[in-house]
Amino acid sequence: GEDVEQSLFLSVREGDSSVINCTYTDSSSTYLYWYKQEPGAGLQLLTYIFSNMDMKQDQRLTVLLNKKDKHLSLRIADTQTGDSAIYFCAESISGAGSYQLTFGKGTKLSVIP
Amino acid sequence: DADVTQTPRNRITKTGKRIMLECSQTKGHDRMYWYRQDPGLGLRLIYYSFDVKDINKGEISDGYSVSRQAQAKFSLSLESAIPNQTALYFCATSDLRATGYNEQFFGPGTRLTVL
Repeated sequence: GEDVEQSLFLSVREGDSSVINCTYTDSSSTYLYWYKQEPGAGLQLLTYIFSNMDMKQDQRLTVLLNKKDKHLSLRIADTQTGDSAIYFCAESISGAGSYQLTFGKGTKLSVIP
Repeated sequence: DADVTQTPRNRITKTGKRIMLECSQTKGHDRMYWYRQDPGLGLRLIYYSFDVKDINKGEISDGYSVSRQAQAKFSLSLESAIPNQTALYFCATSDLRATGYNEQFFGPGTRLTVL
């Protein structure tokens, strides 16, 4: 079955880079996503990557996908206190189930000033 | 104004009570979802709906029911609330017409406590 795993906590100093890792099990995943949840709010899509890509960069964000190892990472450069949030990795699969997302448990990023 | 709204934002109820959580959206999306979030467990899908006539069970539908009153409204009911239904509940929407990636838009959540 589908399973998405990520570590629960990460702490970094302001200005450093943060790397949040995720592993998934479904080899038929077509898209992989990173959602961000700020305190007291719902989730918001941060970025996504199509499964035939191995890297995507968007300003301070870099997504790396290793499809062979089923490993996804999110790198945040020059981490700021406003980046403190919970980050969820998610996958969707092809076909009729593509409407459905499977989420990881979330990684809580704490940024130390 | 928020595109996806949920009411109430907070609710405390007692075991055995029937309660309803409501979700409204102004995004014009066909797909709507209900999730619950528990600390350390992430988000789990309760129910989802493709349109007014289409309702589907998710991963954890037992003890819950839903109603899609209109394209813009999707409500979640707990028929007889129990303490382990204490959680943060999120409604989300996505666009059926969109191809490729599935971006879901989340409401602000309802914090439910069952005593």
